[in-house]
Amino acid sequence: GDSVTQMEGPVTLSEEAFLTINCTYTATGYPSLFWYVQYPGEGLQLLLKATKADDKGSNKGFEATYRKETTSFHLEKGSVQVSDSAVYFCALNAGKSTFGDGTTLTVKP
Amino acid sequence: DAGVTQSPTHLIKTRGQQVTLRCSPKSGHDTVSWYQQALGQGPQFIFQYYEEEERQRGNFPDRFSGHQFPNYSSELNVNALLLGDSALYLCASSPLGQARETQYFGPGTRLLVL
Repeated sequence: GDSVTQMEGPVTLSEEAFLTINCTYTATGYPSLFWYVQYPGEGLQLLLKATKADDKGSNKGFEATYRKETTSFHLEKGSVQVSDSAVYFCALNAGKSTFGDGTTLTVKP
Repeated sequence: DAGVTQSPTHLIKTRGQQVTLRCSPKSGHDTVSWYQQALGQGPQFIFQYYEEEERQRGNFPDRFSGHQFPNYSSELNVNALLLGDSALYLCASSPLGQARETQYFGPGTRLLVL
């Protein structure tokens, strides 16, 4: 079946540091790929998405590129802020969504 | 434009009881999916409804059942509650016929089973 593997956390960075959160997937067919963010006590918010190979999703300074050859969708941001502290989930959608276990990011001033 | 709404926000039940959670999809969406998110884990797919029928189901026992109404709202029912059913239950909606499209999530219902 479909599966998503995320880089294990937690991740702690200083403000303005570079962020990478790795995500690889296994799926039949051609899924859409997503990154969601979850703040404490809240539901999931869509951060960015890509629907086909080589597409780059971007939002709020975050980027991820759909790499079919390596089955990856790594999340990057050039300069993190304290307000980026949250749990990040990588997911694929091939009719129903399959999520990774999440990576907790803490950004310190 | 209202997003996905869920009720109640929090719920406390005891083992063996039954619970009903409710979801209203985003305007213009008629496909509703339910997920269970245990503490510290990613959401797990329970089932998906559109046209008032269950279309897909994840690896959850028959104690978990659902319903979709003509106005596209949905209910999740869990019978014979177990301690392990304690979790955040998320509802997500998406547009008809676009199963691979973005799902929009509600804030969730946090269920505690004692």
